[in-house]
Amino acid sequence: AQSVAQPEDQVNVAEGNPLTVKCTYSVSGNPYLFWYVQYPNRGLQFLLKYITGDNLVKGSYGFEAEFNKSQTSFHLKKPSALVSDSALYFCAVRPGYSSASKIIFGSGTRLSIRP
Amino acid sequence: NAGVTQTPKFQVLKTGQSMTLQCAQDMNHEYMSWYRQDPGMGLRLIHYSVGAGITDQGEVPNGYNVSRSTTEDFPLRLLSAAPSQTSVYFCASTLGTAYGYTFGSGTRLTVV
Repeated sequence: AQSVAQPEDQVNVAEGNPLTVKCTYSVSGNPYLFWYVQYPNRGLQFLLKYITGDNLVKGSYGFEAEFNKSQTSFHLKKPSALVSDSALYFCAVRPGYSSASKIIFGSGTRLSIRP
Repeated sequence: NAGVTQTPKFQVLKTGQSMTLQCAQDMNHEYMSWYRQDPGMGLRLIHYSVGAGITDQGEVPNGYNVSRSTTEDFPLRLLSAAPSQTSVYFCASTLGTAYGYTFGSGTRLTVV
C-alpha cells in the first residue's frame, strides 16, 4: 500500500534553534512531494514541493526540505525557529503516474516553538 | 480572487439526515478533491475529480456522493449521516500534477 509516515506526533523546539520535521514515504514511481502547514481553525496552506532536480528545495516562511531518494525521505527544516512557526505540519505525496487530485497525506506533526 | 470557497463552515446533523457540502473555486482548476480530517489520521481522500463530468473514489468514499457538472463546483453529498462522519471536511483544487493544492477553509460537521 502507498503511504506517508510522519513518525513524530509532536516536535518541541526553542526559538532560534534549528528545527526538523520528519517524513518518509512508500509509493510507486517517481513521487511528487509536498509540505503543508495548518494554523488553528484554518485550511491547509502550501509550503513547498519537490518535483525533480535539486534535492534541497526552498519554500515559504524560510522553510526548506531535503529529498533523499535512497532513504525515501522528505524532511522539513528551518535554520532558526520562530514562535509563529507553531502549527500543524503535513507531508504529502503524489505517487508516480497518479492523478493530480489523488494526493496522500501523512498524519501530521504538531510543531511547538517555545520562546 | 476568492480561491476555494466552502459552505457552510459549521453544521450539526441528526443521524439519517442528508446534506450537501458546497465547494467552489474561481481559479479554473481542473483537479478538485474532498478530504476529511480526523485527529491522528491526517487527511483522507473521499472523492476526487480530474475535470467536469469526471469523478472517482478515493480512500474513504462510502456514504458520500459527488458530481462535477462545471469546472467551478464540486459538491459533496452525505446520503444518510452517521456519527462516524463527524469530521472536518476540506475541499481542495490544483492546476495540475506539479502544483500544490489550494484548500478551502473547511466545514466542521457534527452528526448526533
